[in-house]
Amino acid sequence: SQKIEQNSEALNIQEGKTATLTCNYTNYSPAYLQWYRQDPGRGPVFLLLIRENEKEKRKERLKVTFDTTLKQSLFHITASQPADSATYLCAPRKYNQGGKLIFGQGTELSVKP
Amino acid sequence: GAGVSQSPRYKVAKRGQDVALRCDPISGHVSLFWYQQALGQGPEFLTYFQNEAQLDKSGLPSDRFFAERPEGSVSTLKIQRTQQEDSAVYLCASSLTGFTSNEQFFGPGTRLTVL
Repeated sequence: SQKIEQNSEALNIQEGKTATLTCNYTNYSPAYLQWYRQDPGRGPVFLLLIRENEKEKRKERLKVTFDTTLKQSLFHITASQPADSATYLCAPRKYNQGGKLIFGQGTELSVKP
Repeated sequence: GAGVSQSPRYKVAKRGQDVALRCDPISGHVSLFWYQQALGQGPEFLTYFQNEAQLDKSGLPSDRFFAERPEGSVSTLKIQRTQQEDSAVYLCASSLTGFTSNEQFFGPGTRLTVL
């Protein structure tokens, strides 16, 4: 069965460093992969979408890569700030998945000043 | 409104009670989704509407769960005879269309606690 795995342990980094979060998937051939941010007590917020034919996508301090051979996406936040502290969720999507999102369990990021 | 709203934000129910959770999507959004989120986990899909049509209800955990969107805008998720395992945050999301690449806009969720 299809499986989506994200770092289960919280990631603690120092302000100014680059945070790297991993999303691995198995038994799955997604056409797209979305990343969302979720703060405590709030719903997820869309950050970035990357397509299967794109190796890399950037938006301000965010960078996402998508390696369909390794079945992995990496999510980078450069020059991290305490305000980046949140849980980050990945959601790979197949063409025939309909509208629903299937999320990983999320990785909690904590950026210390 | 500017975003997706949900009510109530918090609901405490005694085991066996029925509950109804409401979602107001962004105006004009065709697609509406319900997800269930347990503590420390990612949201899990429950059901999906395109306008008033319920196109996918494969994630509903039992026949105690029922969702509707009669006029293609507001949606209600109803849980009958609540059980303790139903305790979770219920998230509603909407998107402009149902296309795979569309981002979904989430509401703040309703935290349901069943005693």
